[in-house]
Amino acid sequence: GDSVTQMEGPVTLSEEAFLTINCTYTATGYPSLFWYVQYPGEGLQLLLKATKADDKGSNKGFEATYRKETTSFHLEKGSVQVSDSAVYFCALISRGTYKYIFGTGTRLKVLA
Amino acid sequence: SQTIHQWPATLVQPVGSPLSLECTVEGTSNPNLYWYRQAAGRGLQLLFYSVGIGQISSEVPQNLSASRPQDRQFILSSKKLLLSDSGFYLCAWSNGGQETQYFGPGTRLLVL
Repeated sequence: GDSVTQMEGPVTLSEEAFLTINCTYTATGYPSLFWYVQYPGEGLQLLLKATKADDKGSNKGFEATYRKETTSFHLEKGSVQVSDSAVYFCALISRGTYKYIFGTGTRLKVLA
Repeated sequence: SQTIHQWPATLVQPVGSPLSLECTVEGTSNPNLYWYRQAAGRGLQLLFYSVGIGQISSEVPQNLSASRPQDRQFILSSKKLLLSDSGFYLCAWSNGGQETQYFGPGTRLLVL
C-alpha cells in the first residue's frame, strides 16, 4: 500500500541554519504531496503542497519539490527561526481518494 | 471564511467511561469530514471519514464510532474507553473533489 517515510527527529538547529527534512513516498499512480506543520498544542496547518512531478510548493520561506524520479518531497528552508520550532508532517493523497497517508512527523527545535 | 471547531480541548476520562467528541465546521456546505488520532510519538491515523449526512466509513476497526447527524457536525464516540484510546484527536474537513484538508485545533484525551 501507499506509504510515507520521514527522517526521524528531533532535528535541532541554531537560528539561521539551513533546514532539510527528508520525505520519500511509495504510491501507485501520481499522488499529490503535502507538508503540514503542527505547533505545540495545536492542530495541523497546511504548509505547502505539490500536485504533479517537478512542481515546487513554497510558503513562509519553506520549499519542497515533487521529485518523481526519486519519489521524494524534501522540505527545505534557507534560514530557520525559533518560531519554526514545530512538528512537520509529510503526507500524500492518491488521486480519487479521500485518504491522507501521513509520515510519522519530524520534530524541529530551533535554538536562539 | 471557513472555520472548524472541536470540543472539548482537553478531556480526562476513566477507563470504561463513555466518550463524545464534537466537531463542527462553519462557512461551507456538504464538506467531507474526517477524524484522525495522533498517538504520542506517532503519526496521524485516519479513523473515520464522511462524505455526507449519515455516511460514515471506518478505516480502523476498534471500539470507537462516528456519526454525522447534521451536514457540518461530526461526532466521535465510544461506549467504553480503553487506556489505548488516549491520544490527540483531530477533526478535518475538505471540499468535495478537492484534496487539501483543513484541521481543527484538536482534543487531547487522557484515559486513566
